[in-house]
Amino acid sequence: NAGVTQTPKFRVLKTGQSMTLLCAQDMNHEYMYWYRQDPGMGLRLIHYSVGEGTTAKGEVPDGYNVSRLKKQNFLLGLESAAPSQTSVYFCAIGGGRFNEQFFGPGTRLTVL
Amino acid sequence: GENVEQHPSTLSVQEGDSAVIKCTYSDSASNYFPWYKQELGKRPQLIIDIRSNVGEKKDQRIAVTLNKTAKHFSLHITETQPEDSAVYFCAARERLTGGGNKLTFGTGTQLKVEL
Repeated sequence: NAGVTQTPKFRVLKTGQSMTLLCAQDMNHEYMYWYRQDPGMGLRLIHYSVGEGTTAKGEVPDGYNVSRLKKQNFLLGLESAAPSQTSVYFCAIGGGRFNEQFFGPGTRLTVL
Repeated sequence: GENVEQHPSTLSVQEGDSAVIKCTYSDSASNYFPWYKQELGKRPQLIIDIRSNVGEKKDQRIAVTLNKTAKHFSLHITETQPEDSAVYFCAARERLTGGGNKLTFGTGTQLKVEL
């Protein structure tokens, strides 16, 4: 898990503001994922990437965009934040020898 | 797509007792089933997993069983301790047609181990 970092750890936004969350890994894994976690709803997949330059939609992609220009970084963007996007966001990486998935430390986002 | 159901949503046991959490999945093509433990304010941590060619796997006090025919799998924790108190998530992994794979998670079980 030490190989996955997320920036920032906390953020408060006003409705309509934009921001970008950064996930960085040093484990050279192919797959990267963005989840959101809300009380009672588990972890829901927003977008994912199976390799550098590729992205795809998950279960709850609306209101978010992503990019993976470099293998080690996966960015999640909110163009116009809404209160419904208040959540904890986790990045995860997957692949490697046993194809396990590991999570980053999370970003707590509040939209007022 | 895959759908994973997890029960119970909350579980309270006495220290030293066993705890069992059950999950069902819908996609028979899913072939890997991890379990994650999440302590308050922390990230989910992988604690054990099982692949579809295995029926049971143990690691000290925790074990996971898989019934492919019935499409369900379970987490068993024996001799529970206060530090086992956390939220536990099951997941099922499906392969993607374009390559790679993704996990679908259950909604979690809040386990409380009481002294």
